[in-house]
Amino acid sequence: DGGITQSPKYLFRKEGQNVTLSCEQNLNHDAMYWYRQDPGQGLRLIYYSQIVNDFQKGDIAEGYSVSREKKESFPLTVTSAQKNPTAFYLCASSPEGGTGYGYTFGSGTRLTVV
Amino acid sequence: KQEVTQIPAALSVPEGENLVLNCSFTDSAIYNLQWFRQDPGKGLTSLLLIQSSQREQTSGRLNASLDKSSGRSTLYIAASQPGDSATYLCAASGYSSASKIIFGSGTRLSIRP
Repeated sequence: DGGITQSPKYLFRKEGQNVTLSCEQNLNHDAMYWYRQDPGQGLRLIYYSQIVNDFQKGDIAEGYSVSREKKESFPLTVTSAQKNPTAFYLCASSPEGGTGYGYTFGSGTRLTVV
Repeated sequence: KQEVTQIPAALSVPEGENLVLNCSFTDSAIYNLQWFRQDPGKGLTSLLLIQSSQREQTSGRLNASLDKSSGRSTLYIAASQPGDSATYLCAASGYSSASKIIFGSGTRLSIRP
């Protein structure tokens, strides 16, 4: 079955640590996205990539980093510079960027600072 | 800059009722408007997508309408069931391939048995 796999489902981070969230898709989609979801605030775009080896900052990129070395993979690193990382993180992909067609979401990773 | 608003943030209705969820957007130059469903702790699932040239789309008990001139979209759910309980988000897409879809904050729907 084609889809997006996010791992882990739950992640705990200590103060000052960097953590990496995994996102893998087997849909042959060109575009991939990372969103952050906080209660009552909807989805906010962190980073997006429309092609391998290229990515752009979204609305809230500070304290995060990404890479796109393979079409199938778009990992997100939450660095120690992100002061309030506790949130639900969603990865998505689409055949092409921006048009809204074919958006497919992963099941999310819940990150908690301990 | 496009802004998407959904009011109310939460809605509770008894089973069997027909209901309407509202979505408003500030920039009428949209490529399409999409409605998603999100179950607690899960990702989003696309329900309906309305292209800018269309007025509505239907899927089963769901009907979504689009009025670009007023900057509004509605999601109509007929004969609601407890399984419809979820958060419903709308999202607007722009014309540029480099643009990003903008999400509303969602309406949390609860159907009482």
